[in-house]
Amino acid sequence: LAKTTQPISMDSYEGQEVNITCSHNNIATNDYITWYQQFPSQGPRFIIQGYKTKVTNEVASLFIPADRKSSTLSLPRVSLSDTAVYYCLVGGLSMDTGRRALTFGSGTRLQVQP
Amino acid sequence: EAGVTQFPSHSVIEKGQTVTLRCDPISGHDNLYWYRRVMGKEIKFLLHFVKESKQDESGMPNNRFLAERTGGTYSTLKVQPAELEDSGVYFCASSQAGHRRPATNEKLFFGSGTQLSVL
Repeated sequence: LAKTTQPISMDSYEGQEVNITCSHNNIATNDYITWYQQFPSQGPRFIIQGYKTKVTNEVASLFIPADRKSSTLSLPRVSLSDTAVYYCLVGGLSMDTGRRALTFGSGTRLQVQP
Repeated sequence: EAGVTQFPSHSVIEKGQTVTLRCDPISGHDNLYWYRRVMGKEIKFLLHFVKESKQDESGMPNNRFLAERTGGTYSTLKVQPAELEDSGVYFCASSQAGHRRPATNEKLFFGSGTQLSVL
């Protein structure tokens, strides 16, 4: 399975840009990189997805270098409501079953201060 | 459009009892997944349905867990008998594409989860 590594936690202040980097050295050729956001007592919510280079939507940007072994989620001008856990997700091929399973890493707990 | 709904939101049972969790995916979504977070650890994949067929159940921890999706609509996850280590949050997610394997460019919609406490 493609394992992801992210910082456990990050702190920021309102109005700042936050960049969260995820390492996924074993990413497969056909895998996309997807980021989810999770608030307490809720399920993960899709933020953004990309395959290579840069993707931008109304919420965030995703930067993926050419080797695709890492990705960076960029949140512009964060607010208090962006305090959440952010997960980087990469599909992987199970060595046991040969099937793909989307796996969550430990996530990054972002705390935004006023 | 209604999102993914899970029932109950919380369940407290004693060791050895049976619990059934239910998930109603977004209408029209062929893919349905069960995940769980146990003891504050990472969210782990349990299994994947495409319509009523189990496509991947490699994450199911043991035979005390039984998932069904009769008719390809809602799904149930039964734990029988429940053990202390089964406590955690069980999430259900659904997506649109009807592929045999999880397409890694798909977008999953998650429910709010069921908090299961086994005492």
